[in-house]
Amino acid sequence: AQSVAQPEDQVNVAEGNPLTVKCTYSVSGNPYLFWYVQYPNRGLQFLLKYITGDNLVKGSYGFEAEFNKSQTSFHLKKPSALVSDSALYFCAGTYYGNNRLAFGKGNQVVVIP
Amino acid sequence: NAGVTQTPKFQVLKTGQSMTLQCAQDMNHEYMSWYRQDPGMGLRLIHYSVGAGITDQGEVPNGYNVSRSTTEDFPLRLLSAAPSQTSVYFCASSWKGTETQYFGPGTRLLVL
Repeated sequence: AQSVAQPEDQVNVAEGNPLTVKCTYSVSGNPYLFWYVQYPNRGLQFLLKYITGDNLVKGSYGFEAEFNKSQTSFHLKKPSALVSDSALYFCAGTYYGNNRLAFGKGNQVVVIP
Repeated sequence: NAGVTQTPKFQVLKTGQSMTLQCAQDMNHEYMSWYRQDPGMGLRLIHYSVGAGITDQGEVPNGYNVSRSTTEDFPLRLLSAAPSQTSVYFCASSWKGTETQYFGPGTRLLVL
């Protein structure tokens, strides 16, 4: 079984400041973790994923995420937020051999000009 | 490539009516899935398929049927719509269930 938690409903950040969106996971075996972004009235777009290897994963649009096995976390980060980063962000996870992807409830990110 | 396409974009149904949400992909992906998105609940998996002729239930399958006769198409059927099925429905596809999924634009369904 697997579950993913996003503890914050909304993250507000000033433009130019670092952005962090938190995610913790509970997955049997080796986790496969993903971040997706959703803009209003659109489908989800893939940002990045962790399967194995380096704990720091780099993705699209300047985003990166750090896999921390001891804390079972996979936080999404961006060094300098843009107004255009305002969107809904989803963390998702599964594990090797499992065909069911579990999503967190989502985080609304608001970047303030 | 069109990617993942979904029709219709928006639909209003009355309680008890049936309908089929269409999903197609042109990437030759083996894995396809249906999710529903509700405020504050993220995306929940309804049904998925690992290849033509093979389907399985997800987290919230009740009230929904699927079939997969071709690699490209994965329709979702609502047999007797209920207000609780008011939601936004997303179809996705990928090479495998553990790979990156590509999402369609969604179908917004309102059941009165």
